[in-house]
Amino acid sequence: NAGVMQNPRHLVRRRGQEARLRCSPMKGHSHVYWYRQLPEEGLKFMVYLQKENIIDESGMPKERFSAEFPKEGPSILRIQQVVRGDSAAYFCASSPRYGQGEMDEQYFGPGTRLTVT
Amino acid sequence: GNSVTQMEGPVTLSEEAFLTINCTYTATGYPSLFWYVQYPGEGLQLLLKATKADDKGSNKGFEATYRKETTSFHLEKGSVQVSDSAVYFCALSALKAAGNKLTFGGGTRVLVKP
Repeated sequence: NAGVMQNPRHLVRRRGQEARLRCSPMKGHSHVYWYRQLPEEGLKFMVYLQKENIIDESGMPKERFSAEFPKEGPSILRIQQVVRGDSAAYFCASSPRYGQGEMDEQYFGPGTRLTVT
Repeated sequence: GNSVTQMEGPVTLSEEAFLTINCTYTATGYPSLFWYVQYPGEGLQLLLKATKADDKGSNKGFEATYRKETTSFHLEKGSVQVSDSAVYFCALSALKAAGNKLTFGGGTRVLVKP
């Protein structure tokens, strides 16, 4: 059973370009979370999606950032007009379900390291 | 809101030494608590978890006990190895109607020397 897949692993963009980060959850998982890790910091929640639905985007910057998780295909985190401050590692995690009274573990991908020059 | 505070690193130890990484949290309700480990250039791996007060999570010689009275979840290992060198993150998750997003501490880098 393949784990969470993210691509690309490394992405370099010039200021003003667009960055697209992809995440394929583990087989059978329908919940996806995106986190951002700035250098030497912990991970910060960005957005939580289920298939075709954004459930919680309270951690997403209001401008330039968007996320989707279509019925078919990977989840996409899109950053428009990137700036140097967007340089970070972006991690995707998936879980099988949201359950009452029992925590569902999140399984993390290897991350995409975005560098904005 | 929810928050997690863990001791800053780096922590440098000799092989076979005792390791403790302190973690305290602030949360409403009854969160679940986790320790994740991140090896260089990799994603996070779940190390252990505890879902209710007084639970002890354990894995690979690591242990942590959910202490509600002190709102703590300190990580311990009795005898570290060089292969334990990594960054360790304490995290909490509080079930809400909108999922169980994780709130992380800032991470503690551990370096074990032979």
